[in-house]
Amino acid sequence: EAGVTQFPSHSVIEKGQTVTLRCDPISGHDNLYWYRRVMGKEIKFLLHFVKESKQDESGMPNNRFLAERTGGTYSTLKVQPAELEDSGVYFCASSQGGFSYNEQFFGPGTRLTVL
Amino acid sequence: QQQVKQSPQSLIVQKGGISIINCAYENTAFDYFPWYQQFPGKGPALLIAIRPDVSEKKEGRFTISFNKSAKQFSLHIMDSQPGDSATYFCAAKGNNQGGKLIFGQGTELSVKP
Repeated sequence: EAGVTQFPSHSVIEKGQTVTLRCDPISGHDNLYWYRRVMGKEIKFLLHFVKESKQDESGMPNNRFLAERTGGTYSTLKVQPAELEDSGVYFCASSQGGFSYNEQFFGPGTRLTVL
Repeated sequence: QQQVKQSPQSLIVQKGGISIINCAYENTAFDYFPWYQQFPGKGPALLIAIRPDVSEKKEGRFTISFNKSAKQFSLHIMDSQPGDSATYFCAAKGNNQGGKLIFGQGTELSVKP
């Protein structure tokens, strides 16, 4: 079975540009999470979808970040306009629904560099 | 505010030795404590997890020790192997916070042959 996939694996953009990250969760997983790791620091929670609904977006840094999950399947995270401090590795994770302690399976991440 | 503090940041161990990584937390509402292992170019993968109703959990060479009164937990890797070289993250989850995981800063482990 395919794991969580993320696209692109790397993105280098100029400050002020827009970038869209995509995550395809494991098929059938209702829960989808976005996390971010800034260099050398902890992995920080951004938000949590249950199917197509935002369950918790308490970790979203500001309104330059917009996450969507179309039809409860794949998700996109758009950063517009990008700032230098947005650089980091963005991870997506998914888990089965019904129990909040279900294992979260992580994708390989998208490394975003804002110049 | 760092809710889960992890140490050390990096660790070098000889093959066959014991690797120990420590984490401390403040929030007494945390009730699930997983450890994740991450290899370069890959995402974190669940290694082992513990609930606060037990003080120790062992899976193969990996053991979590949990001290509820001290609000600390640690990962012990026995007979460390070069293939264990990776970044390790401790994490915690609250009982009323959905699936949101709070991670420590990570420990880069290098096991020398």
